[in-house]
Amino acid sequence: SQTIHQWPATLVQPVGSPLSLECTVEGTSNPNLYWYRQAAGRGLQLLFYSVGIGQISSEVPQNLSASRPQDRQFILSSKKLLLSDSGFYLCAWRPGGPGNTIYFGEGSWLTVV
Amino acid sequence: GDSVTQMEGPVTLSEEAFLTINCTYTATGYPSLFWYVQYPGEGLQLLLKATKADDKGSNKGFEATYRKETTSFHLEKGSVQVSDSAVYFCALNGAGSYQLTFGKGTKLSVIP
Repeated sequence: SQTIHQWPATLVQPVGSPLSLECTVEGTSNPNLYWYRQAAGRGLQLLFYSVGIGQISSEVPQNLSASRPQDRQFILSSKKLLLSDSGFYLCAWRPGGPGNTIYFGEGSWLTVV
Repeated sequence: GDSVTQMEGPVTLSEEAFLTINCTYTATGYPSLFWYVQYPGEGLQLLLKATKADDKGSNKGFEATYRKETTSFHLEKGSVQVSDSAVYFCALNGAGSYQLTFGKGTKLSVIP
């Protein structure tokens, strides 16, 4: 069966520090991969998605970036965090293409102080 | 573009009450429709889905029917439990799209 792992689960970072959140999927190949953010009291915002290695689509302009160095690995990064980057970050994957179900990881809580 | 509108919460119900959370959508073509549930401090879990008109998705006593004529996918449960307390998200995947479009979520609290 397929599983998705996301880490770290919780982190507190100072303003201006770098960020790296990592996500891996097991038990499948060539998944679509996603990063969403959920700010406190708000809905889900799609940040990035990837349909293949090295292929990243960005949905919103921001100081975050994403990379997909391997087929089942998706990394969310920032060189300098802002207070507004605080939130709950969710990695997700989907087998195949459009129309299939998207499955979410457990999420990472980021607090920028 | 695609959009999803959910009834605003929070919704507070007594145990064993009937639940309806309204969801309507705007999309071209025939999207797939989903309900996700988020328990406190956790990620999203798929609750149910429907991929074509008149399909009924069901799981754990929850149901939703894909109504093309009213562009709706309302979530229902006949008798809620305290353990159903969570945030519920309606979402759609437009035809040929790689993205899920989410509603803003509805927080449900069930009291004993």
